[in-house]
Order: sequence, then C-alpha cells, then structure tokens
Amino acid sequence: GDSVTQTEGQVALSEEDFLTIHCNYSASGYPALFWYVQYPGEGPQFLFRASRDKEKGSSRGFEATYDKGTTSFHLRKASVQESDSAVYYCALGMDSNYQLIWGSGTKLIIKP
Amino acid sequence: EAAVTQSPRNKVAVTGGKVTLSCNQTNNHNNMYWYRQDTGHGLRLIHYSYGAGSTEKGDIPDGYKASRPSQENFSLILELATPSQTSVYFCASGEGGIQDTQYFGPGTRLLVL
Repeated sequence: GDSVTQTEGQVALSEEDFLTIHCNYSASGYPALFWYVQYPGEGPQFLFRASRDKEKGSSRGFEATYDKGTTSFHLRKASVQESDSAVYYCALGMDSNYQLIWGSGTKLIIKP
Repeated sequence: EAAVTQSPRNKVAVTGGKVTLSCNQTNNHNNMYWYRQDTGHGLRLIHYSYGAGSTEKGDIPDGYKASRPSQENFSLILELATPSQTSVYFCASGEGGIQDTQYFGPGTRLLVL
C-alpha cells in the first residue's frame, strides 16, 4: 500500500543552521505531497503542497521539491530560528484513497 | 484561510459515560474529518464526511459515531467512553478531494477515567 517514511524522529540544530528533514514515499500512482507543522498544544498547520514532478512548494522560508525519480519530498530551510521548534509531518494524498497517509513526524529542536 | 473550531478544548469523562465532541468550520468546505493523535501512533482517521448528512468510517471507527447535521458542523460521539479513548482529537475540513489541503482545528484533549 501507499506509505510515507520520515527517517529522522528528531533533529537538533542551533539557530541559523541549515535544516533538512527527509521524506520518502511509496505510491502506485501520482500523489499530492504535503508538509504540515504542529506546534505544542495546537493542531497541524498546512505548510505547503506539490502535485507534479519537479514542482517546488514553499512557505515561511521552508521549501521542498517533488522528485518522482527518487520518490522524495525533503523539507529544507536555510537558516532555522528558535520559533521553528515544532513537529513536522510529511503526508501523501491519492485520489484512489479516502485518507491522507501521514509520516511519523520529525521533532525539530533548536538548541539555545 | 479556513477557520475550524472545536469544543470543548478539554474534557474529563467517566468510563461508560457519553461524550460528544463538536467541530465547526466557517469556510463552506464539503469534507470534514475526525482524527485522534496518540504518542507513537501519529494521526489516525476515525470518521469523515463528504457533506451534510453523510458520514464514513475511517481506519479506527470502533467505539465512535459521527454526525454531520449541516455543512458547518461535524460531531464525534463516544456512546460508552473507555479509558483507551483518552487522547487528543482533531477535526479538519477540506475543500475537495484527498489531494486538497486539510485545515485543522486546535484539538480537544479528552481524559476518560
């Protein structure tokens, strides 16, 4: 079945470091790919999505490029801030399925 | 941006009691969803709806009912609450199909004693 894999359960960085959170997917067709961010005590917030090969999604300094060849949608940010501390979820949506397929989430910790 | 609200935000219930969680969205989205989130399990879909009067089972519907009386409102009902239903519950709404964005509410923290 369709699946999403986030390899890092937790990432610890210092302010102004470069961030990469890896997301790989497996799907039988052509899914839409999403990044959501969840701050403590809140619901997940939509960050951005992409639905075509080589399409770049971006928001708030974060970006990811849909890569059908490597089945990836890695989240990147050039310079993280303390306010970026949160859990980040990659998700996949296929029209043949009634629900989003969620990754396990990656907790981003910004060290003071 | 879609506005999704949930009530109550926190709830303590007794085992065997009835619990109703409410969700309201003001952006006229057709689709609405109920999830629960537990440590180690991430987000799991309980019920969803394509519009007023419709409810569908998600991945983990056992012990839950849903009701969609109007475009704006979607309720999750626990007829006989159990401690295993202690969790954080999120409602979400979305405009179109599963490839469209879902917008989440702030969540309800439920403790069943």
